[in-house]
Amino acid sequence: QQPVQSPQAVILREGEDAVINCSSSKALYSVHWYRQKHGEAPVFLMILLKGGEQKGHEKISASFNEKKQQSSLYLTASQLSYSGTYFCGTETANAGNMLTFGGGTRLMVKP
Amino acid sequence: EAQVTQNPRYLITVTGKKLTVTCSQNMNHEYMSWYRQDPGLGLRQIYYSMNVEVTDKGDVPEGYKVSRKEKRNFPLILESPSPNQTSLYFCASSYSGQGLFVGEKLFFGSGTQLSVL
Repeated sequence: QQPVQSPQAVILREGEDAVINCSSSKALYSVHWYRQKHGEAPVFLMILLKGGEQKGHEKISASFNEKKQQSSLYLTASQLSYSGTYFCGTETANAGNMLTFGGGTRLMVKP
Repeated sequence: EAQVTQNPRYLITVTGKKLTVTCSQNMNHEYMSWYRQDPGLGLRQIYYSMNVEVTDKGDVPEGYKVSRKEKRNFPLILESPSPNQTSLYFCASSYSGQGLFVGEKLFFGSGTQLSVL
């Protein structure tokens, strides 16, 4: 079962912040975040493991709430280069070695 | 250069004509996987492989076959393509094939845009 991402789309001005959420109905072992530019392959951002800490680099960070089976991706002081579609991928207890992706969140950053 | 190579990049075919999309990685990864991407549905897993001769179904395996005879290659086979298999396909690989977790980041190929008429 696919995780649910919200919002489906967001438009920002440069310098504004955004939060993208990823929720699962199943117990999660890990959450992956990827960004895809139009016409390109998804590119890895970060992994959050069960029992691990909040991850981040530069102005993009993420958290993992194991009790709620949720993860959030935080984009701070957004730049034009942040535009793209963001996907979360989840590993769950009963899904073997599968990584199941959400439907994606389309982010557009305007000057 | 470490990479996942998919071919072809674009493919137009007709219903029922068997086709193969190739995928090769040069990173000695154990884990390989195929996804299809459709608007609004994200990336849906078709098949994955933990290692040579070990494959398993993903969420949408109907109409597809895979094989893993060598560690580096993981071809996707459509024996009798239908229009509902028109999609963007991605191959991906990662280091981890051990235990329950995928665990490591996925490296994606550049994608294959398939149109079945």
